[in-house]
Amino acid sequence: AQSVTQLGSHVSVSEGALVLLRCNYSSSVPPYLFWYVQYPNQGLQLLLKYTTGATLVKGINGFEAEFKKSETSFHLTKPSAHMSDAAEYFCAVSDRDDKIIFGKGTRLHILP
Amino acid sequence: DGGITQSPKYLFRKEGQNVTLSCEQNLNHDAMYWYRQDPGQGLRLIYYSQIVNDFQKGDIAEGYSVSREKKESFPLTVTSAQKNPTAFYLCASSPLTALNQPQHFGDGTRLSIL
Repeated sequence: AQSVTQLGSHVSVSEGALVLLRCNYSSSVPPYLFWYVQYPNQGLQLLLKYTTGATLVKGINGFEAEFKKSETSFHLTKPSAHMSDAAEYFCAVSDRDDKIIFGKGTRLHILP
Repeated sequence: DGGITQSPKYLFRKEGQNVTLSCEQNLNHDAMYWYRQDPGQGLRLIYYSQIVNDFQKGDIAEGYSVSREKKESFPLTVTSAQKNPTAFYLCASSPLTALNQPQHFGDGTRLSIL
């Protein structure tokens, strides 16, 4: 069975600093990988996805993620944090049955 | 604009009462999903449906029921058998035949017990 592990339930960074949110997955087949963002009392919005091809994926709001098969990782980064980036972020993997499996989420705090 | 509408945004339930959460989509998606979100636990799948008049249990289906009489609608009933229903409920949809397509989410319904 596929699974997703997000390291760190809470991450704090200073405004303007690098954002790094970690995600590792387990899969017996080539996975499809996603990052979603959730603002308070809202649904999830897609930030970016990896299906096939280029392993560095660019998403919305300046975020990007790199698929590293050898490390089974799909970490999310942003060069310079903004106050509006404060939210909860979910990594997800798609399995063969068309269900998406979500990680437990990482809450990102931005320090002024 | 296409999207998913969940209603109501906030819902209160008395002990022993069934309540129904609405989910409507106009994206023409075949698959629809219900998730429960609790703090620190991520999203857990309750039920999903890939076609009208058919649905499957997810990981935590006990105490819940669904129907899929129309492609665009997938209501969730939280029954009195669900002993801990307080949570944030999210509905989602996706195209059926494309595994690499992400799910689209509604804005959720927050259910609380009086």
